[in-house]
Amino acid sequence: EDQVTQSPEALRLQEGESSSLNCSYTVSGLRGLFWYRQDPGKGPEFLFTLYSAGEEKEKERLKATLTKKESFLHITAPKPEDSATYLCAVLSGSNYQLIWGAGTKLIIKP
Amino acid sequence: DAGVTQSPTHLIKTRGQQVTLRCSPKSGHDTVSWYQQALGQGPQFIFQYYEEEERQRGNFPDRFSGHQFPNYSSELNVNALLLGDSALYLCASSLEGSREQYFGPGTRLTVT
Repeated sequence: EDQVTQSPEALRLQEGESSSLNCSYTVSGLRGLFWYRQDPGKGPEFLFTLYSAGEEKEKERLKATLTKKESFLHITAPKPEDSATYLCAVLSGSNYQLIWGAGTKLIIKP
Repeated sequence: DAGVTQSPTHLIKTRGQQVTLRCSPKSGHDTVSWYQQALGQGPQFIFQYYEEEERQRGNFPDRFSGHQFPNYSSELNVNALLLGDSALYLCASSLEGSREQYFGPGTRLTVT
């Protein structure tokens, strides 16, 4: 069964304190792994797509990496405005539907 | 460049009633997907429309139905509302053949 698990559920960091969020997945034929950012009461905002193990993508303070079993979203020297829920989703090759994790709520304190 | 828009922003309905939610895709996009997101959870796929046809469907009952118009906009209809239908309903658009979806702000539905 296709499944996505994100950890931790919540993460509190001080401004400038770097860390990583994890997305573990089990899927039949990965067709892509996606990272989104979601602010409270709003729709997810697209961040990255990764397609194959070893691939990396960067955007400002965020860097996403992919292995055969998991993806990491590394955040370097975060700022309070990086506070949000970060969602991971995989596109299954068996039914071409996005399977979502429950997200990691990131709080950056000034 | 207009992004994905949804209406209304918020909606309060009573059990047993029917509701229609609307979505306009991002300019140039021709595929629309609908998701239900409960509080603290990731989105759950409801269905996807392309060329005015339902192309894929997630594990949702027939009370959930949709439509896509020739201008690619879409509607989500939910009949016989249940308390458990209270959620944020998200519309996402994409270009056929592209795997990246772009989301609207969502419609918050509360069923009392």
